[in-house]
Amino acid sequence: DAGVIQSPRHEVTEMGQEVTLRCKPISGHDYLFWYRQTMMRGLELLIYFNNNVPIDDSGMPEDRFSAKMPNASFSTLKIQPSEPRDSAVYFCASSKFVGGAKNIQYFGAGTRLSVL
Amino acid sequence: QKEVEQNSGPLSVPEGAIASLNCTYSDRGSQSFFWYRQYSGKSPELIMSIYSNGDKEDGRFTAQLNKASQYVSLLIRDSQPSDSATYLCAVKTESGGYQKVTFGTGTKLQVIP
Repeated sequence: DAGVIQSPRHEVTEMGQEVTLRCKPISGHDYLFWYRQTMMRGLELLIYFNNNVPIDDSGMPEDRFSAKMPNASFSTLKIQPSEPRDSAVYFCASSKFVGGAKNIQYFGAGTRLSVL
Repeated sequence: QKEVEQNSGPLSVPEGAIASLNCTYSDRGSQSFFWYRQYSGKSPELIMSIYSNGDKEDGRFTAQLNKASQYVSLLIRDSQPSDSATYLCAVKTESGGYQKVTFGTGTKLQVIP
């Protein structure tokens, strides 16, 4: 399997522009997670989906952020309008529910976003 | 109180020594515990998972879990410079029938040759 695939790897944009980050989870995985990582705040969970349905979006910082998962193989995280404080590395991760306590997340390579 | 707490470090150990990384969590209902390693500029990668009290060994790595004390640790024996990275503790809980994983902010480990 190719693993979790994110695009683009790097994104540089100007304040006020719309940014769309993309993620393809591992085939067969039923959970998908979006994280943001900064030096100051570490790895923060923004939102996660189970079977394409958003379960917990309490980590989404504000209404400028939105995420969708139209099918099991694709998800997007959109920021509109973008601001310099949104600059961070955004990770997508996926996992497959296994009966009992096990739930291992596999991370994509991340998208490094710079908002000027 | 943060859900998952780690000392940010850096933790510096000489090559060949034992590195001890610690993590505490607040939710007593937490079920699974993970250690991820993250090299600078890279994504986190899973190195250990533990689900029951006690020790779990995998090569040079040992994870220790004490649910009564809400404490999980990672020991790295014979530390190598290649172990220098940030180590993230992650804790899985179940809420409303769904699973959620919360990460600590990570401990930066430096292994000095």
